[in-house]
Amino acid sequence: SSELTQDPAVSVALGQTVRITCQGDSLRSYYASWYQQKPGQAPVLVIYDRNNRPSGIPDRFSASTSEDTTSLTITGAQAEDEADYYCSSRDRTSNHRALFGGGTKLTVL
Amino acid sequence: QVQLQQWGAGLLKPSETLSLTCAVNGGSLNSYSWSWIRQPPGKRLEWIGDITHSGNTNYNPSLKSRVTISVDTSKNQFSLKLTSVTAADTAVFYCAGAKYYLPIHYFVPWGQGSLVTVSS
Repeated sequence: SSELTQDPAVSVALGQTVRITCQGDSLRSYYASWYQQKPGQAPVLVIYDRNNRPSGIPDRFSASTSEDTTSLTITGAQAEDEADYYCSSRDRTSNHRALFGGGTKLTVL
Repeated sequence: QVQLQQWGAGLLKPSETLSLTCAVNGGSLNSYSWSWIRQPPGKRLEWIGDITHSGNTNYNPSLKSRVTISVDTSKNQFSLKLTSVTAADTAVFYCAGAKYYLPIHYFVPWGQGSLVTVSS
């Protein structure tokens, strides 16, 4: 599929580790990027270029990719990590159009 | 550090043309491609299109017939026009910088977002 699929919702206990997955054929060509979005705010890039973090993003955020699936891992989730998370890639078979997953709502319990 | 500041009309009537502009502050248009992305209320992000500093464009096929993205290098700005809007175009619109060359792809920075409501 040229689309990106994410689980709609995931929960994690405070301080525990959570994995958010994203699946799509486009991930075989383009590296995924991950975005955190809190209510009423613009998305913020948290992972790019397979597993790089922009300045200011805590090192508890990491990512891994295998074939058509990428995973964002938060190791030791904090209350402030509660947000929507979106993966993104591009479809090289369709003029490199950008794709977004449906988003995963992370709840920190 | 590059920052984006966007603006435009927030309330439109059906059939009107949406127009938004994004200023690139603290950096050059040459440093990225530039994108527009929207998010209908409660829905996923949707890519609208990209433009390079030299004016080469790439649009979402689902919107291509109604979209124009342009760049003004003299003002360090880029703009979005979306014609014949309907209620389905109601969304928060974001401008963003884009890095994409196989296999690299990401959007950074992002503008603050502009809520555009289409209502009669």
